[in-house]
Amino acid sequence: GEDVEQSLFLSVREGDSSVINCTYTDSSSTYLYWYKQEPGAGLQLLTYIFSNMDMKQDQRLTVLLNKKDKHLSLRIADTQTGDSAIYFCAGSGGYQKVTFGTGTKLQVIP
Amino acid sequence: EAEVAQSPRYKITEKSQAVAFWCDPISGHATLYWYRQILGQGPELLVQFQDESVVDDSQLPKDRFSAERLKGVDSTLKIQPAELGDSAMYLCASIPRSGEGETQYFGPGTRLLVL
Repeated sequence: GEDVEQSLFLSVREGDSSVINCTYTDSSSTYLYWYKQEPGAGLQLLTYIFSNMDMKQDQRLTVLLNKKDKHLSLRIADTQTGDSAIYFCAGSGGYQKVTFGTGTKLQVIP
Repeated sequence: EAEVAQSPRYKITEKSQAVAFWCDPISGHATLYWYRQILGQGPELLVQFQDESVVDDSQLPKDRFSAERLKGVDSTLKIQPAELGDSAMYLCASIPRSGEGETQYFGPGTRLLVL
């Protein structure tokens, strides 16, 4: 099955850019997702990228996909305190089975 | 905006007791998922339904867990008997129909604490 790995923790200053990285093992993953989870809440889809794309930009969010290295990143421009949360990378394989990474906790320092 | 509903939001129980969680997906969503999220980890799929049929329950501990979606709409996840290691957040998600590109919509989750 798919393995998805992320670094556990990232700390940035408010106004700086954040880059959260993810590696996955299943090259047949069709879609790759980024979810945000605030304390005690469910997961909120931030963005997703189709596997034949290299980059997707959506307002402050930029997703980069390096399919050769199986590396996905999420860049948050002008990071705000409200962006503090846990960010999960996920990949979908066959029949819409989605595998999640362990999550990266983003701490934004005012 | 339509949302996935889950109840209860919090549940405290003693080990060996039975617990049940309920999920009502977004209207018209054919595919429903139950995930377990242990503190500090990502969600892990327990069971996936397509309408009323189980598509994937390979990670469901069937000796104590059961799930049903009798009419292909809302779903119940049961644990009997609960064990200390079952303490986790249980998340429900739905998509319109299994295929390519549909994103999963998550409910707020049920946080279970087993004492």
